[in-house]
Parts: sequence; structure tokens; C-alpha cells
Amino acid sequence: AQSVTQLGSHVSVSEGALVLLRCNYSSSVPPYLFWYVQYPNQGLQLLLKYTSAATLVKGINGFEAEFKKSETSFHLTKPSAHMSDAAEYFCAVSEVGSSASKIIFGSGTRLSIRP
Amino acid sequence: GAVVSQHPSWVICKSGTSVKIECRSLDFQATTMFWYRQFPKQSLMLMATSNEGSKATYEQGVEKDKFLINHASLTLSTLTVTSAHPEDSSFYICSARLAGGPFNEQFFGPGTRLTVL
Repeated sequence: AQSVTQLGSHVSVSEGALVLLRCNYSSSVPPYLFWYVQYPNQGLQLLLKYTSAATLVKGINGFEAEFKKSETSFHLTKPSAHMSDAAEYFCAVSEVGSSASKIIFGSGTRLSIRP
Repeated sequence: GAVVSQHPSWVICKSGTSVKIECRSLDFQATTMFWYRQFPKQSLMLMATSNEGSKATYEQGVEKDKFLINHASLTLSTLTVTSAHPEDSSFYICSARLAGGPFNEQFFGPGTRLTVL
């Protein structure tokens, strides 16, 4: 069964500092991978997705993630944090090739930004 | 494009009543919609997968008679919480998968906050 593990339920960085949110996946085949952001009392917004086209994926708001098969990781990074980046971030996995496949979410990481 | 709406955005009801939540794909057709439940400070838990014109597939542990799902058209799915109790209070989020869309991508609604008194 597929799963994702997000290391660190809460990450706090200073404004302007590097953001690194960790995600490791478990899948028998290379899956589709996603990062979503959720602001309080709102739905989820897609930041970026990995679909096997390129291992380094660039998303919205300056975020990017690198797919590393050898490490089964898909960590999310942003060079310089902004106050508006404070939110909950979810890594998610889905099975390639299944037309009605579910998306399985990680437990989430709350990102706080210190002034 | 790919906008999903939910109505209502929040609802308060008395214990024992039923509540219906609508999920609409506004600018695309969705053969498959998903319903999630999210408790405070927790992740999204898939409740059921809804396919247009057929019965929903419920995840293990989700009571299908309590959480009635109807997907009558390619743009609308509804979740009815029957005989709601305080433990049903939660944030309910729907998502829609683009018909024929790639990568299993789902587009999420803004969520509905249900509070049962």
C-alpha cells in the first residue's frame, strides 16, 4: 500500500530563511507525488506535482521539490521564506496508471514564519 | 479553471437533524468526486469516492447509511450527514477529478465546517 511520511509536524523558520519540509513516500512503483498548502479554514491548493517528467519540480509561490528515487523522498523547499507562507503543508501520493486512484495524504507539517 | 465550490461554507445544526453539503465543479466535468473529513490539526481522511451515476465507494470504517453520497451529474455531488451528532462535527472537504485528466490530480473545494450542537 502507498503511504507518505512527513517528518516534523511543525517547522518554524525566520523570514528570509530557507524552508525545507520533508516527505518520504512508500510505493512499489514510482508514483505521482503532490504538495498541497492549506490556509486556515480553507481547502487545499496544489503547490506542485511530480509526474515523472522531471525530477526537479517547480511550483507556485517560489516552492520547488526534488524527486529522489534512491531516497524515496520528495522534499519541499523555498529559498527565502515569506510571512505569507505560514500555513499547513501536505505531501500526498497517488498510484500511476489507475484511472480512479485515490490520493493518500501525509499527516501535514505546520509552517510558522518568525519575523 | 478547475474551480470547485462547496455549499454551505459552514453550518450549525441540532443533534439528530440531517445536513446536506453540496460540491460542484464549476468549469469542468468531474466523473469522480471525493469526500474527505478533517479534524482539527489533522490530515485529510478519505471518506468515500463518488462516481457519476453509480453508488459511492466508502472507505473502511465509514458508515454509508450515515453519510449518504449522491453524484447525480458530472458537476454535482452531495454529502448528507444523517441524524447528526456532536462527534460528526468536523471540516468536510470535497474534491473533483477532471474527467480524463492526467496524473490523478484532484481539485479541492474550500471546505464546509459542520458544528453539531
